[in-house]
Amino acid sequence: SAVISQKPSRDICQRGTSLTIQCQVDSQVTMMFWYRQQPGQSLTLIATANQGSEATYESGFVIDKFPISRPNLTFSTLTVSNMSPEDSSIYLCSVKWGSTDTQYFGPGTRLTVL
Amino acid sequence: DAKTTQPTSMDCAEGRAANLPCNHSTISGNEYVYWYRQIHSQGPQYIIHGLKNNETNEMASLIITEDRKSSTLILPHATLRDTAVYYCIVTGTASKLTFGTGTRLQVTL
Repeated sequence: SAVISQKPSRDICQRGTSLTIQCQVDSQVTMMFWYRQQPGQSLTLIATANQGSEATYESGFVIDKFPISRPNLTFSTLTVSNMSPEDSSIYLCSVKWGSTDTQYFGPGTRLTVL
Repeated sequence: DAKTTQPTSMDCAEGRAANLPCNHSTISGNEYVYWYRQIHSQGPQYIIHGLKNNETNEMASLIITEDRKSSTLILPHATLRDTAVYYCIVTGTASKLTFGTGTRLQVTL
């Protein structure tokens, strides 16, 4: 499977600030995804990020709040902007990889906003 | 994507087989059944997937009924490390994954 790393693994931030989360994959992949998992909840897809095109956001998520970059086939960033305590979540990136296009997940970034 | 229904929680004794059911009665012909698990706050781990034939890998077996309206994930010899939330997801390969609430499996001594 693809090996995915995320930085930072966790962070504690002040409200009103922004945090950029990095996702690095050890293989070139076309499709990358960003998910959010709020405390005690299941995963929710934020957006799909394909290299060379604008990210596609799911209902309830907007580019101004969660800008995404996808500069090449192995890297993506998600920024959580103007944070509030409600943004406290685990943020996960994932990729489709392999002959069966199976989706694999990174270890997640645990964000706490005070 | 078809909706799935899973029990909220299950218990299993260590060393015994864990059989996790999933109902997906509205599955369409080109949709696959995927299973993932999430061990406390880690990223979800891919387990197995199938279309209509039963599948087996080093982690688990997937049994899909002939009408494809339900499936069972089997962990043949559960260990404490298999304690996790297990998600059954039905989707086409070109589609996104939509996570439900899953089944919380507790493996006990």
